[in-house]
Amino acid sequence: EPEVTQTPSHQVTQMGQEVILRCVPISNHLYFYWYRQILGQKVEFLVSFYNNEISEKSEIFDDQFSVERPDGSNFTLKIRSTKLEDSAMYFCASRNDENTGELFFGEGSRLTVL
Amino acid sequence: AQSVTQLDSQVPVFEEAPVELRCNYSSSVSVYLFWYVQYPNQGLQLLLKYLSGSTLVKGINGFEAEFNKSQTSFHLRKPSVHISDTAEYFCAVRMIKAAGNKLTFGGGTRVLVKP
Repeated sequence: EPEVTQTPSHQVTQMGQEVILRCVPISNHLYFYWYRQILGQKVEFLVSFYNNEISEKSEIFDDQFSVERPDGSNFTLKIRSTKLEDSAMYFCASRNDENTGELFFGEGSRLTVL
Repeated sequence: AQSVTQLDSQVPVFEEAPVELRCNYSSSVSVYLFWYVQYPNQGLQLLLKYLSGSTLVKGINGFEAEFNKSQTSFHLRKPSVHISDTAEYFCAVRMIKAAGNKLTFGGGTRVLVKP
């Protein structure tokens, strides 16, 4: 069964460092998403991406965040200068082009900022 | 804008007992409704979804949910839980008319099944 894969599963970084989280969405999917879940809190939307551009972003997704689909298969989330409060589980998701299509989530990348 | 409220943050339940997880939503437009499950140290997996038609939808692992438009609710039920149902359950909505639109999640309900 096709699945969304994310790497790394866990990354520890120092405050101020750049982090790139990688995702390989399901191959025929066209819509891509990043969500995050701070420990013990709800799953929050960060950004959606379609046709090589951001289609929507939340207020969390400030100038420190960026997304890219560099090679037609990977979908990356970059945090330029990490802060302590960026510590969270980051989930990638993808969806096909049907409006009713469900989102398929990866297993997440846990980011710990020290 | 949409919002989702899951009234119970934790639900302890004995094995083989029934469980109901409550979900209420608020939206100015029509929405699709979803329940996702997150097992410990895993990602989010779709349990079931309501798109249209019958208001009672059945999902995986014996779960079902009923959409009530007048009460803007989408409660999840299982008649007899198993230890393996211990997980966190998230209710979510998505606007119907926006093709690329995001899911908005509730705060989650942690279910702990006791033997």
